[in-house]
Amino acid sequence: DVKVTQSSRYLVKRTGEKVFLECVQDMDHENMFWYRQDPGLGLRLIYFSYDVKMKEKGDIPEGYSVSREKKERFSLILESASTNQTSMYLCASRQGGNTEAFFGQGTRLTVV
Amino acid sequence: GQNIDQPTEMTATEGAIVQINCTYQTSGFNGLFWYQQHAGEAPTFLSYNVLDGLEEKGRFSSFLSRSKGYSYLLLKELQMKDSASYLCAVRAGSGNTPLVFGKGTRLSVIA
Repeated sequence: DVKVTQSSRYLVKRTGEKVFLECVQDMDHENMFWYRQDPGLGLRLIYFSYDVKMKEKGDIPEGYSVSREKKERFSLILESASTNQTSMYLCASRQGGNTEAFFGQGTRLTVV
Repeated sequence: GQNIDQPTEMTATEGAIVQINCTYQTSGFNGLFWYQQHAGEAPTFLSYNVLDGLEEKGRFSSFLSRSKGYSYLLLKELQMKDSASYLCAVRAGSGNTPLVFGKGTRLSVIA
């Protein structure tokens, strides 16, 4: 089975802190994604990557950055956390072509 | 731009059939996916359509009409465990294009 693992299930951080959310997949997938999910807004794409060291902005990249130094790992960075970044963060990966995406279990981040 | 519409909430009775609709307007089209998401959990893949017609998978079926920009997910013999959100997602381009998700439909199955 494909496994996408996010480093934390729950996180509480203070405003202004630098926050790292880690995601690892074990199926050698080319593509990895970070979404946030908020009530009434659905899943919104923050950043994605289709290869090591490659990154592309999604629909809402402001306030975030990403890092993909190894194929299996895709990190989301909040440079200076703010309360409006309180959300559920979901990492996903998929192989190329018309294949489905597999999701991690999510990280519920609260910024206080 | 990309726009994907689904009803926000639906309620259905155990043992019944329910149809969840999804309409989309996207700059291109290269497949439509349905995901199930239980509260507090990750979305899990249900079905994929890229050609017009019906795809059946056990109690779940998904239909696509590309000319109408329309899909539906059909759930038969509803069970309480089917209470979840159902997410419609479209891939608008080829290659590595990410999925664009609708806001999801929360289905409640009642006895």
